[in-house]
Amino acid sequence: NAGVTQTPKFRVLKTGQSMTLLCAQDMNHEYMYWYRQDPGMGLRLIHYSVGEGTTAKGEVPDGYNVSRLKKQNFLLGLESAAPSQTSVYFCASGPDIYEQFFGPGTRLTVL
Amino acid sequence: AQSVAQPEDQVNVAEGNPLTVKCTYSVSGNPYLFWYVQYPNRGLQFLLKYITGDNLVKGSYGFEAEFNKSQTSFHLKKPSALVSDSALYFCAVRDMYGFNKFYFGSGTKLNVKP
Repeated sequence: NAGVTQTPKFRVLKTGQSMTLLCAQDMNHEYMYWYRQDPGMGLRLIHYSVGEGTTAKGEVPDGYNVSRLKKQNFLLGLESAAPSQTSVYFCASGPDIYEQFFGPGTRLTVL
Repeated sequence: AQSVAQPEDQVNVAEGNPLTVKCTYSVSGNPYLFWYVQYPNRGLQFLLKYITGDNLVKGSYGFEAEFNKSQTSFHLKKPSALVSDSALYFCAVRDMYGFNKFYFGSGTKLNVKP
């Protein structure tokens, strides 16, 4: 099992550009999450999903959209990137509400 | 509002000595508490969790944590630190009404010196 994988690992964008981050899991988990990690702030939940076809807002959803068309994939989109979205993005999945398995992260820089 | 506080940005300990990484929380309702570890350029790895039951929870790599409801704390402990324990540690909480939302602390960097 590959676990949770994230694509790409690194990306540099210019302000106003758009991009999509892909998270894939092969553990048949229902729950999936997108977080951002900023220095001194821990992880903050952006959006989450409790199953295929469902999404919900987390703590910091503004500027991001998500989709979960297939159970194994959770996509995070930035429609118009801003420098404030420079961060490390982590995806996680879990079989229930108690556990989360994290991907390796995507380092995004917005110039 | 739900929140987690890790009051120490950094903890330094000598190899072989006991270690404690502190965490306090604030939730509405009963808390579900977690500890994760992050090594450089890696994602978070699960260490242990408290859902209900015994206040002392044992987890991976010899770590344990003590839930204290009256002090709203969930401190991470290990009797004898290893240099390889050096990493960033995160406490997280989810309340029973949390609608699948986890709240993470800001992290504590643990340095274990030989």
